[in-house]
Amino acid sequence: KNEVEQSPQNLTAQEGEFITINCSYSVGISALHWLQQHPGGGIVSLFMLSSGKKKHGRLIATINIQEKHSSLHITASHPRDSAVYICAVRLLNTGTASKLTFGTGTRLQVTL
Amino acid sequence: DTAVSQTPKYLVTQMGNDKSIKCEQNLGHDTMYWYKQDSKKFLKIMFSYNNKELIINETVPNRFSPKSPDKAHLNLHINSLELGDSAVYFCASSPQTSFLGEQFFGPGTRLTVL
Repeated sequence: KNEVEQSPQNLTAQEGEFITINCSYSVGISALHWLQQHPGGGIVSLFMLSSGKKKHGRLIATINIQEKHSSLHITASHPRDSAVYICAVRLLNTGTASKLTFGTGTRLQVTL
Repeated sequence: DTAVSQTPKYLVTQMGNDKSIKCEQNLGHDTMYWYKQDSKKFLKIMFSYNNKELIINETVPNRFSPKSPDKAHLNLHINSLELGDSAVYFCASSPQTSFLGEQFFGPGTRLTVL
């Protein structure tokens, strides 16, 4: 079983819909990242969280450390949001190393 | 003004060959990483260097040898390539090794071993 689980694996939405992608993890972490991988393959870091909530444009990320759970929300979704969204956690006690453990990703397709 | 660059973008080669992938970052970051993304799109860390020093070495065959000539470069050399090495390899960098270091990814190198 992967230490980082994402749901759903695949998601299709219509333009304008509110989207939620979930990430659960089973280990102690010091930070959680949300990444976006474009259809062309490039990876962009969207958020890095250690507590609470962050917002950037139409994207909102939340984390609940006690429940070991994070969500990524996209408001007013658009076809250009179509991508794979990847949750990654930085484990506690990795010393000086900033090692990320990745979820399997959620493939989002937003249609007109 | 590319932040993290990799060359080549595509690499097609025969089994048994030796190949290298280069990575450079112009962000002034101290730490660089190599990740492998398999056919199921699952990313996994391979190596991490901090100021030219190896700090993470996951369970990777010793056919893979990273080399960091300076803190802006982290190259990946692969000996005796095997079919299972086919994947996309991503380089990344971060400004610090402490737990709040955001990572910046290169565009990836798609390696195909025939």
